[in-house]
Amino acid sequence: AQKITQTQPGMFVQEKEAVTLDCTYDTSDQSYGLFWYKQPSSGEMIFLIYQGSYDEQNATEGRYSLNFQKARKSANLVISASQLGDSAMYFCAMREAQLGNQFYFGTGTSLTVIP
Amino acid sequence: EAQVTQNPRYLITVTGKKLTVTCSQNMNHEYMSWYRQDPGLGLRQIYYSMNVEVTDKGDVPEGYKVSRKEKRNFPLILESPSPNQTSLYFCATYGGAGQPQHFGDGTRLSIL
Repeated sequence: AQKITQTQPGMFVQEKEAVTLDCTYDTSDQSYGLFWYKQPSSGEMIFLIYQGSYDEQNATEGRYSLNFQKARKSANLVISASQLGDSAMYFCAMREAQLGNQFYFGTGTSLTVIP
Repeated sequence: EAQVTQNPRYLITVTGKKLTVTCSQNMNHEYMSWYRQDPGLGLRQIYYSMNVEVTDKGDVPEGYKVSRKEKRNFPLILESPSPNQTSLYFCATYGGAGQPQHFGDGTRLSIL
């Protein structure tokens, strides 16, 4: 079974609108971390936001927020007030703290912001 | 400045010719890992290392070797590269719970 599932290969959003990128995960570990990264066309991996499994509050970093629904095992990224520079690939990732030390990435979502 | 440095950035080579991609970090992180990125497949972990002389297989270790003789360096070795190892490779470090991974700029390998 896939550890991380991103079901939206491509998404479009109008500039200044909000967009939600979906991520579901699969783990039996009680302690884990969830990450979102952005990869622009230049290729580098840019860290956006982190959520720990024991964190009660949803993580926020500027225009990025993580909608963490533990029971549903989902960790959706919300980008508010989209900008043209947000056009990129977005990857969701997980690390299980107790069951092993691997990182697992999803297949990514390509976001295009339309002017 | 925190840095993960990979070399080379680009390499075109031929099947069977041994190659090494170097990775060096200046953050004193114990955890280092290698990924390959292929279209439609995301990033897949090849090997990771929790500390010096400690390495473990990730999801796609076949055809690769690693070593961790010093904390700062974690080279990726392709003993006999094949065309199916043509990919974009990333080295990354990890500082522990709650911290993000820091990625190198990537190495694009083409095996002809």
